[in-house]
Amino acid sequence: GAGVSQSPRYKVAKRGQDVALRCDPISGHVSLFWYQQALGQGPEFLTYFQNEAQLDKSGLPSDRFFAERPEGSVSTLKIQRTQQEDSAVYLCASSQDRDRLLNSYGYTFGSGTRLTVV
Amino acid sequence: SQQGEEDPQALSIQEGENATMNCSYKTSINNLQWYRQNSGRGLVHLILIRSNEREKHSGRLRVTLDTSKKSSSLLITASRAADTASYFCATLRNSGNTPLVFGKGPRLSVIA
Repeated sequence: GAGVSQSPRYKVAKRGQDVALRCDPISGHVSLFWYQQALGQGPEFLTYFQNEAQLDKSGLPSDRFFAERPEGSVSTLKIQRTQQEDSAVYLCASSQDRDRLLNSYGYTFGSGTRLTVV
Repeated sequence: SQQGEEDPQALSIQEGENATMNCSYKTSINNLQWYRQNSGRGLVHLILIRSNEREKHSGRLRVTLDTSKKSSSLLITASRAADTASYFCATLRNSGNTPLVFGKGPRLSVIA
């Protein structure tokens, strides 16, 4: 597609519920990133894929967070047993660069999924 | 953790004026990027400057990088109401696999 697409745009979950957030990157983009953005803050890195390989998941805050990209295109971020502190905007980005140090065009971000845990 | 710290926290100017935002970081970097975010939207890439560059221009944007002070500035000239947004700097380290690390981001308001 023309841009990075994320769904749903908004999600309200009851505490303890599991949620799944979807990201459709730009076709052909090798690298895919998930970030978490709290209100009034900058995005915080969660995890990074190169094709289907998860190269870095150091930013995932707990084992309740899980991400996958099984075919190297669409990615899903799953949060189990949601807590109120999980409320945030979850941003997905993609990049055409295979080598992260050769990144020349920056990342293309989706509009994000706003998760509210009540 | 957030590497870049921007100042000022918020900036309000009249349309037509110039706006300058600063960013500091802590580690050795490969490049530094500036992004804009309108309310409720994703981030839009504005400009990238590599560690061996000192200044870069793109339209009304001018970015400088001082690696000795570990700081960068973004200048927007002849501001427009449409420039109203939050601005973030992000750095890419030379080592490891970690992608872009973002700072907090000042809010720029351009008043028509």
